[in-house]
Amino acid sequence: AQSVAQPEDQVNVAEGNPLTVKCTYSVSGNPYLFWYVQYPNRGLQFLLKYITGDNLVKGSYGFEAEFNKSQTSFHLKKPSALVSDSALYFCAVRDNSGNTPLVFGKGTRLSVIA
Amino acid sequence: KAGVTQTPRYLIKTRGQQVTLSCSPISGHRSVSWYQQTPGQGLQFLFEYFSETQRNKGNFPGRFSGRQFSNSRSEMNVSTLELGDSALYLCASSSFEGQPQHFGDGTRLSIL
Repeated sequence: AQSVAQPEDQVNVAEGNPLTVKCTYSVSGNPYLFWYVQYPNRGLQFLLKYITGDNLVKGSYGFEAEFNKSQTSFHLKKPSALVSDSALYFCAVRDNSGNTPLVFGKGTRLSVIA
Repeated sequence: KAGVTQTPRYLIKTRGQQVTLSCSPISGHRSVSWYQQTPGQGLQFLFEYFSETQRNKGNFPGRFSGRQFSNSRSEMNVSTLELGDSALYLCASSSFEGQPQHFGDGTRLSIL
């Protein structure tokens, strides 16, 4: 069975500092990996995806993520955090068979402090 | 392009009632998925439909059901509502499984 782990419930970072939100996954076969962000009283917004190709993926709002197959990780990063980045972040995975649903991690709340 | 539309946004029901939630996907998207989001359990997968066929089903009781119509619109039904069904129900659509799912803003269901 596929699964996603986001080991940190909460990440605090000062504005202007780099941020990292961690994600590890387990899937049989090759993974499709996604990051989403959720603001209060809203649905999830897509940030970026890894399907195949370059291990470093760039996405919306200056976010990027690095796919590491040997460590089964897909950490989300941003070089300089903004207060407006404060939100709930979800990592998600599905295998490439099409026979399994998208599975989400429990989410990491990011707080960027001015 | 219009996004995923979920109706209604808010709903209050009492125990034992039933409810139907609606989702209109992005035009051209044939895959629709439903999720339940609660503070304690996070995001839990309910169903996934593709071209009117249920492709995957999550671990929820039979009181939870869904369907997809020929125009890709989807509905989710919950019968005999329980207090624990209070949650944000999210619908997402995508063009196919390799592409990201796009979410609506959800229906917040409160059970009294």
